Amino acid sequence: AQKITQTQPGMFVQEKEAVTLDCTYDTSDPSYGLFWYKQPSSGEMIFLIYQGSYDQQNATEGRYSLNFQKARKSANLVISASQLGDSAMYFCAMRGVNTNAGKSTFGDGTTLTVKP
Amino acid sequence: DGGITQSPKYLFRKEGQNVTLSCEQNLNHDAMYWYRQDPGQGLRLIYYSQIVNDFQKGDIAEGYSVSREKKESFPLTVTSAQKNPTAFYLCASSGEAATNTGELFFGEGSRLTVL
Repeated sequence: AQKITQTQPGMFVQEKEAVTLDCTYDTSDPSYGLFWYKQPSSGEMIFLIYQGSYDQQNATEGRYSLNFQKARKSANLVISASQLGDSAMYFCAMRGVNTNAGKSTFGDGTTLTVKP
Repeated sequence: DGGITQSPKYLFRKEGQNVTLSCEQNLNHDAMYWYRQDPGQGLRLIYYSQIVNDFQKGDIAEGYSVSREKKESFPLTVTSAQKNPTAFYLCASSGEAATNTGELFFGEGSRLTVL
């Protein structure tokens, strides 16, 4: 069984500052993938970034980076230079290798509010 | 533009009625999924389909039904047997059903309220 824990129900950050959203996971799969999705108020979930469990380097996508610490089973999302449009709910998700894409396990999410 | 279209965006239902939520994709994806999202919670998988004319139950399939007659379409019916149907429903697709790096593509969701 897999489990994702996001311990921050809500976070505030000042515009232009960096923010870290926490995600810890638990799995018995030897190989797995970790994902972050953004859900703005419109409702659509938007894929942000992916990290494979055997990737040597932390993933980066523009202003998003994933701080992957395998021994600690954590996959924190770092957003640099926050913008007002970053205000949204953020979900961490994972699935094992060769697991159907839709059978990912999602956390309960963190609501991020960017202050002007 | 390619994407997933869900309709209706908002839906009200009386108790005892069945309702069908539409999901159409033009991404040429084989796999499609339905999720339920309750306030303050993550997504829970209702049903998924990897190919036309085939689908499997997810974690919370009771009270729901689906069909997959066309690659582009995967409608979800919320039946009167679903005890607590008020929720936000998200449809998604993926290009490769069993690929570690394959992300999910989502529609904008349908919000169902039972009166």
